[in-house]
Amino acid sequence: AQTVTQSQPEMSVQEAETVTLSCTYDTSENNYYLFWYKQPPSRQMILVIRQEAYKQQNATENRFSVNFQKAAKSFSLKISDSQLGDTAMYFCAFMKAPDSWGKLQFGAGTQVVVTP
Amino acid sequence: DGGITQSPKYLFRKEGQNVTLSCEQNLNHDAMYWYRQDPGQGLRLIYYSQIVNDFQKGDIAEGYSVSREKKESFPLTVTSAQKNPTAFYLCASSKGTPGQETQYFGPGTRLLVL
Repeated sequence: AQTVTQSQPEMSVQEAETVTLSCTYDTSENNYYLFWYKQPPSRQMILVIRQEAYKQQNATENRFSVNFQKAAKSFSLKISDSQLGDTAMYFCAFMKAPDSWGKLQFGAGTQVVVTP
Repeated sequence: DGGITQSPKYLFRKEGQNVTLSCEQNLNHDAMYWYRQDPGQGLRLIYYSQIVNDFQKGDIAEGYSVSREKKESFPLTVTSAQKNPTAFYLCASSKGTPGQETQYFGPGTRLLVL
């Protein structure tokens, strides 16, 4: 069974600064997908970014980027130029491939608070 | 607008009562999922369905039941056998084909026990 660990329960960052969230996972699989989801106070889960394990290039999505280290089983999220609207709970999630009907395994989450 | 809707937003359950949470999607997705979220925890999978008239248990299926009679709908029933049902429930869907595994979520239903 896969486990996903987010070791930082809460992080605070000032507007326009950069924050990095850590995520590690444990798996014996070679092919899988990794995701970061954001859950703002509205509690709507929103996809932030996705990474395929077979791709060496790190995924980026505007101000969001990841550092994927397959050998270390690490998948950190960097938020650049933080904005007040980035305040949310961030969840790292793992999905086995090619199980396309895939069950997502979530970490416990990191609460990010962006301050003016 | 394409999306996933869940109703009601809040639901109250009395002891010994079964309640049903609605989930509808118009994204033409084949796969649908139900997750439970407790305070301070990530989401845990209750049930999932790959196609109509087929569904599978997730990690915490005890005390829950589902049906998938239509592609667009995947209702979740919380039965009286679920002893601790107070939680936030999220429905998700995905295309479920290679390269289309990303799951998209509805706004959720908060269930409270009276």
